[in-house]
Amino acid sequence: EAGVVQSPRYKIIEKKQPVAFWCNPISGHNTLYWYLQNLGQGPELLIRYENEEAVDDSQLPKDRFSAERLKGVDSTLKIQPAELGDSAVYLCASSLSATPSTDTQYFGPGTRLTVL
Amino acid sequence: AQTVTQSQPEMSVQEAETVTLSCTYDTSESDYYLFWYKQPPSRQMILVIRQEAYKQQNATENRFSVNFQKAAKSFSLKISDSQLGDAAMYFCAYREFGNEKLTFGTGTRLTIIP
Repeated sequence: EAGVVQSPRYKIIEKKQPVAFWCNPISGHNTLYWYLQNLGQGPELLIRYENEEAVDDSQLPKDRFSAERLKGVDSTLKIQPAELGDSAVYLCASSLSATPSTDTQYFGPGTRLTVL
Repeated sequence: AQTVTQSQPEMSVQEAETVTLSCTYDTSESDYYLFWYKQPPSRQMILVIRQEAYKQQNATENRFSVNFQKAAKSFSLKISDSQLGDAAMYFCAYREFGNEKLTFGTGTRLTIIP
């Protein structure tokens, strides 16, 4: 079974440019998460989707960040415009559902963003 | 707010020996879950072990086991017979029952000495 797929693995851009990250969750997983991981830190949740609905986006900086999950499968996270402080690893995770027996989060390899 | 603290930024252990990674957390909840995730250089977070707070028995997965002390809010990970492939960042994480949000600690970098 394929795991969570993310692309690109690496992205280098200049500040003020837009950037987008793509995530394909494990087939059949209804819940999708985007995390931000700064260097030397643990991941922090940005947004969580249940199918197409963003059910927790309280940590998403909405002035420059946006996300979508059309059709409840793939998801895209966008930053526009990027700032130097956005340099980090962006992780995507998915879980089957919210019930305790099936809620283990499986992570993708992440996208390492460098803003120059 | 829940917080997770990992006080050991780095640890090292001889191959085949046993090492224990520490984690403490702060919560006012009685029902929650605790996790240890491994993050190798490939960056992909891999679930190592999971503990439900209502279970008194410590979770075990092959060479990995935890010491869960609910009253002390402590959740340490013991790795027995350490192998070179165990080298990675290890993150302790907390999740409140009924809430999908994972709160991670800052991680412990584990080095295995051949």
